[in-house]
Amino acid sequence: ETGVTQSPTHLIKTRGQQVTLRCSSQSGHNTVSWYQQALGQGPQFIFQYYREEENGRGNFPPRFSGLQFPNYSSELNVNALELDDSALYLCASTPRGLAADTQYFGPGTRLTVL
Amino acid sequence: DQQVKQNSPSLSVQEGRISILNCDYTNSMFDYFLWYKKYPAEGPTFLISISSIKDKNEDGRFTVFLNKSAKHLSLHIVPSQPGDSAVYFCAATGMSGSARQLTFGSGTQLTVLP
Repeated sequence: ETGVTQSPTHLIKTRGQQVTLRCSSQSGHNTVSWYQQALGQGPQFIFQYYREEENGRGNFPPRFSGLQFPNYSSELNVNALELDDSALYLCASTPRGLAADTQYFGPGTRLTVL
Repeated sequence: DQQVKQNSPSLSVQEGRISILNCDYTNSMFDYFLWYKKYPAEGPTFLISISSIKDKNEDGRFTVFLNKSAKHLSLHIVPSQPGDSAVYFCAATGMSGSARQLTFGSGTQLTVLP
């Protein structure tokens, strides 16, 4: 039990639509990272937020954006959905005071784009 | 360009025997390595880690070995138990701008047979 929750569990969208995925971390987890895991692959880093500001980004286009809130929750927004965006989206948080290598993952949101 | 590679998609081992999972990396800037375990419908769970200044780290039945010159690490599980059956991901971290991001391999499905 990592204390990281994500909603919704599953989601179906159509190409061109927009989606918002949510993550809630434990109190004191002030770093949150988002990952995309395609079928048969490992998670790929999308971006990281620290104290409500983006402080690192992987190789993902600007239509992937995020927000982090003071209450330790965060959002991943994806605009203009494409079929290849179908994947498991994972958020991971790091407790204050620990190195960002220490990441606790939520169960993920399974997004299907038709 | 896969910076972290797990070349064995699957591994089957008899209960009580040793499981050895392998991982190779290409980026010399990686300075910390981790193994995660993932059950279906759950997020990855941290298992064990090793800093690049060490060559071995042990935690109960789990031992990680790092060979920096070969850019290779391995996870040994002794003795293997049926509950160890899961997907194992190797991950590496280094600085990317101001963020420390995890770069994952594609995973190895371990099946421990009773």
